[in-house]
Amino acid sequence: DAGITQSPRHKVTETGTPVTLRCHQTENHRYMYWYRQDPGHGLRLIHYSYGVKDTDKGEVSDGYSVSRSKTEDFLLTLESATSSQTSVYFCAISDGPTSGSYNEQFFGPGTRLTVL
Amino acid sequence: TQLLEQSPQFLSIQEGENLTVYCNSSSVFSSLQWYRQEPGEGPVLLVTVVTGGEVKKLKRLTFQFGDARKDSSLHITAAQPGDTGLYLCAGTDSWGKFQFGAGTQVVVTP
Repeated sequence: DAGITQSPRHKVTETGTPVTLRCHQTENHRYMYWYRQDPGHGLRLIHYSYGVKDTDKGEVSDGYSVSRSKTEDFLLTLESATSSQTSVYFCAISDGPTSGSYNEQFFGPGTRLTVL
Repeated sequence: TQLLEQSPQFLSIQEGENLTVYCNSSSVFSSLQWYRQEPGEGPVLLVTVVTGGEVKKLKRLTFQFGDARKDSSLHITAAQPGDTGLYLCAGTDSWGKFQFGAGTQVVVTP
């Protein structure tokens, strides 16, 4: 299994508070992704990173920001959490489309976030 | 808007039966991947298909990529209870972004 960890694994917070989720990899993969998973929607991309300090928005980026200061860490921040951000958040990594491989993606175990 | 449509959304079958899950899009993808996800865990990659018309077999699972690289199917022969899970397809573009379908929940009962 790819070395991907997420922290915390579970979190309950209140509306309006800031929340930061962390993804850590030991595979030295160039690309890192944050998704949210909700019933009926599958996995939706929030933000992704294609290198240190290089990030781009996904399809559901409003209300979220990210940072990547090191290859191994990708942080997702909810500046002011809302109940609509209650979800399961997954981090994923890949080598990227220029690696000559299939650009396969590997997922972390997920973080269950509840915003009351 | 879901660019990748999966069907059916839910499938319940008896052990030993066959099943097929479909993944369709109007977009062309560089490659397409299938994942299986179990409750409380992250998706696990099953296969990647990259060439139009490609067929890959993984034991009792057969994956096919459409000739135009817009659609794919997953066929399971003689399903077992261990095949139960959420099956997800995902297409990738040349920029490294992935687009997922909503998933097909498969339940195989003994």
